[in-house]
Amino acid sequence: AQKITQTQPGMFVQEKEAVTLDCTYDTSDPSYGLFWYKQPSSGEMIFLIYQGSYDQQNATEGRYSLNFQKARKSANLVISASQLGDSAMYFCAMREGRDGTASKLTFGTGTRLQVTL
Amino acid sequence: KAGVTQTPRYLIKTRGQQVTLSCSPISGHRSVSWYQQTPGQGLQFLFEYFSETQRNKGNFPGRFSGRQFSNSRSEMNVSTLELGDSALYLCASSAGSQWSNEQFFGPGTRLTVL
Repeated sequence: AQKITQTQPGMFVQEKEAVTLDCTYDTSDPSYGLFWYKQPSSGEMIFLIYQGSYDQQNATEGRYSLNFQKARKSANLVISASQLGDSAMYFCAMREGRDGTASKLTFGTGTRLQVTL
Repeated sequence: KAGVTQTPRYLIKTRGQQVTLSCSPISGHRSVSWYQQTPGQGLQFLFEYFSETQRNKGNFPGRFSGRQFSNSRSEMNVSTLELGDSALYLCASSAGSQWSNEQFFGPGTRLTVL
């Protein structure tokens, strides 16, 4: 089974609108961290937001928020007030707490977001 | 604080050659991880170094190796290059190896093997 699943290969959103990018994960480890990264065409992976498995509140960072539903094992990224500069690939990733694996980030296949006028 | 730096940014090699990529982490970060990104396989973990010791390794052949120096800078080496090694190689810096530690990436080295 895939550890991280992103079911939306591509998404379009109009400027100033909100958009939700889906991410579901699979782990039996009680300790894990979920991350979202943005990758523009330049290739650099830009860290956006982090949610820990024990966090009670949904994470927020400026226009980014993470809709964390632990029972459903989903960690959707919400981008509010989309801007043209938000056009990029978005990756969901997970680090698990098991010894020897915590250093590794497992990535989903990504969602390409295109913001239109 | 300066971000993660990687050199070189672009590299063209031919099959059979070897290549060394360099990564300087964020100041104070002791963990450096390497990832390979290809259109077909996506992002895959290569290995992680923490305080000069390899802590974790992905499923890559022995041609892929790395090391970390006392100043936390890391190098990755690929010997006997194959066409399939063409990829974007990303280095990530983290304060530690815990599941809660954020990883910050460098701009990547784009390797083309001809």
